[in-house]
Amino acid sequence: DGGITQSPKYLFRKEGQNVTLSCEQNLNHDAMYWYRQDPGQGLRLIYYSQIVNDFQKGDIAEGYSVSREKKESFPLTVTSAQKNPTAFYLCASSMPYSGQPQHFGDGTRLSIL
Amino acid sequence: AQSVTQPDIHITVSEGASLELRCNYSYGATPYLFWYVQSPGQGLQLLLKYFSGDTLVQGIKGFEAEFKRSQSSFNLRKPSVHWSDAAEYFCAVGPGYGGATNKLIFGTGTLLAVQP
Repeated sequence: DGGITQSPKYLFRKEGQNVTLSCEQNLNHDAMYWYRQDPGQGLRLIYYSQIVNDFQKGDIAEGYSVSREKKESFPLTVTSAQKNPTAFYLCASSMPYSGQPQHFGDGTRLSIL
Repeated sequence: AQSVTQPDIHITVSEGASLELRCNYSYGATPYLFWYVQSPGQGLQLLLKYFSGDTLVQGIKGFEAEFKRSQSSFNLRKPSVHWSDAAEYFCAVGPGYGGATNKLIFGTGTLLAVQP
């Protein structure tokens, strides 16, 4: 079955450490997205990519970085510059045209040690 | 500014009762509208979407939503709630026809509890 796989499900970060969250999709979607979810704040867009080798900042990109070297993969790095990284991170994909439903992975929960 | 408002943070209904979750939006042009559902610790699942035409749209799991342009609303309804409907519900809006991207703006969510 086609879908989106996020790994790991739980991740712990030490102070000053960068961590990378994985997102892989086999839906043949061109567009991919990273969201951060905090209680009571809904989903906020971190980065999105419309096509391979191109990506754009979302509303809360500071302290995060991404790459899009392959159509299937859109990893998110949470850098040490992100001072409050504890959150639930969701990856999604869709075709890049307006109105296309976004398909979501099951998320990664990041916590600070 | 573009935004989505879900005024009810938390709603509790009895099993078998009807449900209405509210969603209001502010968007420059006529947007596409979506409702998603999220179970704890999971990703989001699409319930239904509105693009154009009939303002009452049917979705999965017996849900429906009505688009009211004059009120900038897209409320979600279900005639009879089941215990398995307990989850968090998100309204989202995105660019309408011909939009250059598929970026969505999400509301803050409504957490639904179902009493036996």
